[in-house]
Amino acid sequence: EAGVAQSPRYKIIEKRQSVAFWCNPISGHATLYWYQQILGQGPKLLIQFQNNGVVDDSQLPKDRFSAERLKGVDSTLKIQPAKLEDSAVYLCASSPRRGGPLHFGNGTRLTVT
Amino acid sequence: EDKVVQSPLSLVVHEGDTVTLNCSYEVTNFRSLLWYKQEKKAPTFLFMLTSSGIEKKSGRLSSILDKKELSSILNITATQTGDSAIYLCAVEAGTASKLTFGTGTRLQVTL
Repeated sequence: EAGVAQSPRYKIIEKRQSVAFWCNPISGHATLYWYQQILGQGPKLLIQFQNNGVVDDSQLPKDRFSAERLKGVDSTLKIQPAKLEDSAVYLCASSPRRGGPLHFGNGTRLTVT
Repeated sequence: EDKVVQSPLSLVVHEGDTVTLNCSYEVTNFRSLLWYKQEKKAPTFLFMLTSSGIEKKSGRLSSILDKKELSSILNITATQTGDSAIYLCAVEAGTASKLTFGTGTRLQVTL
């Protein structure tokens, strides 16, 4: 089975610019997650979708971050405007249902200068 | 707020040694505890432990869940250089089955 696809792999932007990341989960997986992993830390959940509805976005900085999952398949995560502290790896993961092992993509490494 | 703490933060051992990694948690409505291995890229799944499956083993890796102590250990015997990675513990909790990760333990296995 094809894994979770993410793009781009790397992105370098200046602070106050905007950026968008894309994720294509494993086919048939209803649940999709975006995690932020800052160097030296564990992944932090930003948002969790069940099909195209939001289950949890309590840790998403909504003044600058937004995410959508149209049609319950692909998802995009946007940051506008970016801050230096947004430098991190953004991991997308999916699972067939809520809970259980997640399948992670290779992530997008964002550097904000 | 759900909390997952791992120890030690980092560890250097020699090939052939046995290591034990620790994970403790404070969550509301525990559902499961998962261990992942993260090398340069995406975390890869190792084990999932629940109330009905508190012990798992795969080759040289094994893990036990202690629901009374709210903790888990991951054991790796006869370590190899290929075991060098960050080991992440995550706990699934709540009606949303939210997965909260610990900071991870960085393991380095030297020759």
